[in-house]
Amino acid sequence: DVKVTQSSRYLVKRTGEKVFLECVQDMDHENMFWYRQDPGLGLRLIYFSYDVKMKEKGDIPEGYSVSREKKERFSLILESASTSQTSMYLCASDTRGGYNEQFFGPGTRLTVL
Amino acid sequence: QKEVEQDPGPLSVPEGAIVSLNCTYSNSAFQYFMWYRQYSRKGPELLMYTYSSGNKEDGRFTAQVDKSSKYISLFIRDSQPSDSATYLCANQGAQKLVFGQGTRLTINP
Repeated sequence: DVKVTQSSRYLVKRTGEKVFLECVQDMDHENMFWYRQDPGLGLRLIYFSYDVKMKEKGDIPEGYSVSREKKERFSLILESASTSQTSMYLCASDTRGGYNEQFFGPGTRLTVL
Repeated sequence: QKEVEQDPGPLSVPEGAIVSLNCTYSNSAFQYFMWYRQYSRKGPELLMYTYSSGNKEDGRFTAQVDKSSKYISLFIRDSQPSDSATYLCANQGAQKLVFGQGTRLTINP
């Protein structure tokens, strides 16, 4: 059973804190993605990675950074959390080339107070 | 203009009804068109995908793509309460997906 796991289902942080969201996939996928999901806005791509130590900005990278030191792990970092970053964060992975089904994790509901 | 537009609903229909969910897109380079289904407190899962124009059927679900009008549809026949979820259309561009806003669907018993 293929799996994408995320480190936390729910997280509450204070404004200004540094926040780490971890994602691990066990499918040996090259590509990994971080999205945020907000009502009425759908899924918006924050960052993605095609390979270890590679990263590309998505549509809304401001206020976020990422790290991919191992193929199976992709971390999203909020350097200084703000209330506007309260959201559902979804990690996904897929394989390279042609049509790619993305596999999603269960999401992390982050609340920044 | 968003690359993929989808009416966010919510949409509520009685059990057994035929449901039509729709998206429009602007980028003519899109080749693959997908529908993801997301249950409450879960991540999205792929429901169906089509390549280029045409219809694809899978049980009670039919996906339809009209590239000439840049219009994507998902039809659900004999809808069931278990179909209650958020449905997201997605188009594949260069190595990444572009999602619509998602439509929240409720099927009432």
